[in-house]
Amino acid sequence: GAVVSQHPSRVICKSGTSVKIECRSLDFQATTMFWYRQFPKQSLMLMATSNEGSKATYEQGVEKDKFLINHASLTLSTLTVTSAHPEDSSFYICSARDWDSVTVPALAKNIQYFGAGTRLSVL
Amino acid sequence: AQTVTQSQPEMSVQEAETVTLSCTYDTSESNYYLFWYKQPPSRQMILVIRQEAYKQQNATENRFSVNFQKAAKSFSLKISDSQLGDTAMYFCAFMKHRTYKYIFGTGTRLKVLA
Repeated sequence: GAVVSQHPSRVICKSGTSVKIECRSLDFQATTMFWYRQFPKQSLMLMATSNEGSKATYEQGVEKDKFLINHASLTLSTLTVTSAHPEDSSFYICSARDWDSVTVPALAKNIQYFGAGTRLSVL
Repeated sequence: AQTVTQSQPEMSVQEAETVTLSCTYDTSESNYYLFWYKQPPSRQMILVIRQEAYKQQNATENRFSVNFQKAAKSFSLKISDSQLGDTAMYFCAFMKHRTYKYIFGTGTRLKVLA
């Protein structure tokens, strides 16, 4: 259980175009999803927290107009990189938290389950 | 603000031996959680072990165990009987109670040698 699917795994696009990345929780409902960015050989940096049905909360320094996040359902969040430029090239990872109060022990609610990531290359 | 420090950028260990990865953190909170995640070459983040700060007993998961020293704000990971499949980047993460947001350390690249 607790599988998170992220699509696409790799995308190459031209500068100025927009790219959408999907993050789905396959076997659980996720009221909260997170989006990270990881540069080569570096740690994961939290970009934003996405809550179902409400606006995403962005971390300091992250441009919300550049990185549009939509969390329209309990199993899907999307990250759109708008007008992508070469400096946006990176590895993007999503994660989700299992929310169900009945089947998930309280402590397990603190665990984030990660997607396999998306490598974005902007030419 | 909380910070997480992993002072060993790279480590190596012979297969079947034991290795310890260090992690220290800085927080004024008393209620929090700590995690170790593994990121193999596939880049998929995998939870290795977690520890609740209010528990004094160190967490253990098969060959993986932690040494949690709350007063020293230290959270090291011990891998026993290292296997080639343990080769990966290991990240220590801190989560303040009820924020559900992780703060990751800079990572330790572990290579298990045959």
